[in-house]
Amino acid sequence: QQQVRQSPQSLTVWEGETAILNCSYEDSTFNYFPWYQQFPGEGPALLISIRSVSDKKEDGRFTIFFNKREKKLSLHITDSQPGDSATYFCAASDAKLTFGGGTRLTVRP
Amino acid sequence: AQTIHQWPVAEIKAVGSPLSLGCTIKGKSSPNLYWYWQATGGTLQQLFYSITVGQVESVVQLNLSASRPKDDQFILSTEKLLLSHSGFYLCAWTGGTSAETLYFGSGTRLTVL
Repeated sequence: QQQVRQSPQSLTVWEGETAILNCSYEDSTFNYFPWYQQFPGEGPALLISIRSVSDKKEDGRFTIFFNKREKKLSLHITDSQPGDSATYFCAASDAKLTFGGGTRLTVRP
Repeated sequence: AQTIHQWPVAEIKAVGSPLSLGCTIKGKSSPNLYWYWQATGGTLQQLFYSITVGQVESVVQLNLSASRPKDDQFILSTEKLLLSHSGFYLCAWTGGTSAETLYFGSGTRLTVL
């Protein structure tokens, strides 16, 4: 049973555009949602996170929008740069972390 | 600052051969330690976790075993590799100011032929 789903599996945008990565979950007990960024050949690194008491979290060009009622969240990357090309994992936690399948983002110059 | 080191960086092994992967965390006492497996292009699957020396919990059965011989060391091993063991193995820890945040190592790429 896949408790955390991500879409699309892959996404290509042009430099300067906004990339939108989607995530949904099933378990209403999840209360912490980190996003991890992974470059090829490296381990994932925490990018930004949000708790279920908030509906928005911003950090520079990265913003999480969270809809608790619909059990959905999205990561917006504004002014996308080629260096943002990576795989992004949404995760959800209620003590144990569950990862989604990831979205591979390509930013073309 | 805490650092996590995984070894080796990559391994090419034959089916049926033994395997030992290692992970060391420096600068953090009594961390919670984890082993994750990632197929090429795939998601992150937790294999084992440990909250203290000598204690390891298995999350999935993949004919692998793990041990924590020291507070700062986590070992993943098997006596007989399968083709399905190929992938990217990641060690991670939690236990800092944000206990929920996973900090990953740089991983070991395993190819089983």
